[in-house]
Amino acid sequence: QKEVEQDPGPLSVPEGAIVSLNCTYSNSAFQYFMWYRQYSRKGPELLMYTYSSGNKEDGRFTAQVDKSSKYISLFIRDSQPSDSATYLCAVTQGGSEKLVFGKGTKLTVNP
Amino acid sequence: DAGVIQSPRHEVTEMGQEVTLRCKLISGHNSLFWYRQTMMRGLELLIYFNNNVPIDDSGMPEDRFSAKMPNASFSTLKIQPSEPRDSAVYFCASSLGGARGNTIYFGEGSWLTVV
Repeated sequence: QKEVEQDPGPLSVPEGAIVSLNCTYSNSAFQYFMWYRQYSRKGPELLMYTYSSGNKEDGRFTAQVDKSSKYISLFIRDSQPSDSATYLCAVTQGGSEKLVFGKGTKLTVNP
Repeated sequence: DAGVIQSPRHEVTEMGQEVTLRCKLISGHNSLFWYRQTMMRGLELLIYFNNNVPIDDSGMPEDRFSAKMPNASFSTLKIQPSEPRDSAVYFCASSLGGARGNTIYFGEGSWLTVV
């Protein structure tokens, strides 16, 4: 079993839709949870980061962590064509800079 | 701020040739990461350094791969000899060195094709 599982999609939605992206992880020692966004032919860039269970909101984006079920989510409200990218979840243990990434979900938002 | 700078952006080489990928860290950063991205395996950490010292090289595939930091702002990843299965996008990333991994900045990648 991979440490982080992520549905690769692709996911295609109309502009304005609510998008839900999800990952599961296997190691309960992971404490820090991140979402990266990667545009085509670019490097990943940090979008959201959360520590432990709970929600974190930043504009149209909400990151959610449920440590009891080892499940992390990213919600995008009022999705825009500019949100079209691959979204990668990443996890790490406290005290470590070693990120473990999911494979990424490719999202297309159609105008 | 210039960001993490990688070169070359694209490289096509023949099997058996040596490949050298280069990376310049963001000024003031002291952790350096090399990642490889493929469709099959996603984004994988190959090696990372902190203050020029290799901390974890468990992701380096085999002895054909080597990475160095000759100084605090520069790193190289070398593949010798290269093989077609090494074809991938190689990303360099840097951070301030915090424990939480939330400040890692990626370069734009080096696209390697080995034929």
